Amino acid sequence: ETGVTQTPRHLVMGMTNKKSLKCEQHLGHNAMYWYKQSAKKPLELMFVYNFKEQTENNSVPSRFSPECPNSSHLFLHLHTLQPEDSALYLCASSQIAGAPYEQYFGPGTRLTVT
Amino acid sequence: KNEVEQSPQNLTAQEGEFITINCSYSVGISALHWLQQHPGGGIVSLFMLSSGKKKHGRLIATINIQEKHSSLHITASHPRDSAVYICAVMNTGNQFYFGTGTSLTVIP
Repeated sequence: ETGVTQTPRHLVMGMTNKKSLKCEQHLGHNAMYWYKQSAKKPLELMFVYNFKEQTENNSVPSRFSPECPNSSHLFLHLHTLQPEDSALYLCASSQIAGAPYEQYFGPGTRLTVT
Repeated sequence: KNEVEQSPQNLTAQEGEFITINCSYSVGISALHWLQQHPGGGIVSLFMLSSGKKKHGRLIATINIQEKHSSLHITASHPRDSAVYICAVMNTGNQFYFGTGTSLTVIP
């Protein structure tokens, strides 16, 4: 595997379910990011991890809970979501956070909350 | 008002045409990125630039720091160039701001 991978690619969940999104990067990067992309809106940065430490949380509701066990893996745990949380969730990585390095994106997880 | 504005929002071109997508921003930046997103979601970084001009194949990106403006040009456009093109800036505090994207359709 190369680049940034995300699983699952599609997810349908009810509002009472608990699920997790997984991201893995094979680029030797030290920073990982979660983004939300809703229709007709700019990408929204949710969380930033740098060397496994969370450095940014952009006022994301607590029903989204990130986890970064090491620099190569990033999870987004989901619970009691709302229909408006339906969106494309993108993971990205870069050499380090807080510096002008290119970001490499995964293919995204299309989430539908019913 | 978004810190990053792109124009046009939608663009349809005939194959072979020269295409220009514009990006204006309102913050001081350390770098500007052009991203390409194909249907299905995956995003690819095309360019990162902080001054001047970069060229990669049929793609050219320019930036004017004084005018806070960047353009992405596609020469000899092809249907496979059909995608959403997103401008993103990293400000001097290293925060990212994204435009809403320009949806390009190239017709054979």
